[in-house]
Amino acid sequence: GENVEQHPSTLSVQEGDSAVIKCTYSDSASNYFPWYKQELGKGPQLIIDIRSNVGEKKDQRIAVTLNKTAKHFSLHITETQPEDSAVYFCAASKGRGSTLGRLYFGRGTQLTVWP
Amino acid sequence: DTAVSQTPKYLVTQMGNDKSIKCEQNLGHDTMYWYKQDSKKFLKIMFSYNNKELIINETVPNRFSPKSPDKAHLNLHINSLELGDSAVYFCASSHKSDFLLDEQYFGPGTRLTVT
Repeated sequence: GENVEQHPSTLSVQEGDSAVIKCTYSDSASNYFPWYKQELGKGPQLIIDIRSNVGEKKDQRIAVTLNKTAKHFSLHITETQPEDSAVYFCAASKGRGSTLGRLYFGRGTQLTVWP
Repeated sequence: DTAVSQTPKYLVTQMGNDKSIKCEQNLGHDTMYWYKQDSKKFLKIMFSYNNKELIINETVPNRFSPKSPDKAHLNLHINSLELGDSAVYFCASSHKSDFLLDEQYFGPGTRLTVT
């Protein structure tokens, strides 16, 4: 099966700084890589995703990069704000196929943004 | 509101009891999932249903029995609850697509505490 590793487990930054979270995956057949944000007491919320035919994707202050050769992908948050504080999860999937889009999650990164 | 909803949000019960968690989505999705999040925030899939048919059963004890009365509902029944079942359970759904890759949307979670 797939193994997704995520680093760091905790990340503290000053408001306005950038934050980077990195993930690696083991199965070269994985082709879909979403990122989820989980606020305290809530369910994970999809914030951005990238598919294997794309190397980079940006949405306002967040961006994700994918290096298929090295089997790693990263989340970049610029101009961080206190409301960005949450647990962030990366995940990998081989698509719907026979696995029905089963997501394999990293263990999460607790991001704290200090005002 | 269009969403994935779960009831109850909190469930406290004693060992040995039987309990159910309900999930409903009004997004028109055809695939639904149950995930378990442990005390260290690790998210792991338990079950997946597509059009009321069980597709994924991820080495979950048979005390856990999912039931899908229709495409919009996926309930989780747990028999003979054990202390180790204490966790947050998330329901999720994904939409039908001609593509192989689908985004999953999560419910708010049910925090189960077994005493």
